[in-house]
Amino acid sequence: KAGVTQTPRYLIKTRGQQVTLSCSPISGHRSVSWYQQTPGQGLQFLFEYFSETQRNKGNFPGRFSGRQFSNSRSEMNVSTLELGDSALYLCASSLALAGYEQYFGPGTRLTVT
Amino acid sequence: KNQVEQSPQSLIILEGKNCTLQCNYTVSPFSNLRWYKQDTGRGPVSLTIMTFSENTKSNGRYTATLDADTKQSSLHITASQLSDSASYICVVNLTGGGNKLTFGTGTQLKVEL
Repeated sequence: KAGVTQTPRYLIKTRGQQVTLSCSPISGHRSVSWYQQTPGQGLQFLFEYFSETQRNKGNFPGRFSGRQFSNSRSEMNVSTLELGDSALYLCASSLALAGYEQYFGPGTRLTVT
Repeated sequence: KNQVEQSPQSLIILEGKNCTLQCNYTVSPFSNLRWYKQDTGRGPVSLTIMTFSENTKSNGRYTATLDADTKQSSLHITASQLSDSASYICVVNLTGGGNKLTFGTGTQLKVEL
């Protein structure tokens, strides 16, 4: 069974631009979560989607948004990019909510210049 | 102050030796506590998941313990191998449904010959 895939793997953007990252979960998984990982802050939870609905949200500004499609694929969008948004963005999928093991993708490395 | 703190921050051990990583948390209530292994440049991989009522869980050479009274968890690695070199992250999943994870800062382990 294929693992979680994320595209693109690397991205360079300029301050003020917006970016969209994509995540395809493991087949059959309905929950997709997004995380930001930086050297200073470590891993931080962004949001979780299940059945096309946002079920949980972390403490990030409204510039960070996401959505999930009927096939469980998910996208996250960051508008008006700031230098501090440079990070590894990880997506994880699980069968369902609460207590199920999460499987992480390889991440998208975003660099904002 | 991070709600999930890990110690030590980094650790170097010789191949074949055992080691124990510590995790102290203040977040509660939680539905489960997890330990992840993250190799450089890759997404985290789940090692163990324990509910608040469990006090030990093993996965091969990895054994996690949980003391809900003292709010401490540990990950014990037996007979370390070079491939164990990675970052080990303690994660608390808050209650309320879903996968709203709070991550520790991680312990960077290096296993040497």
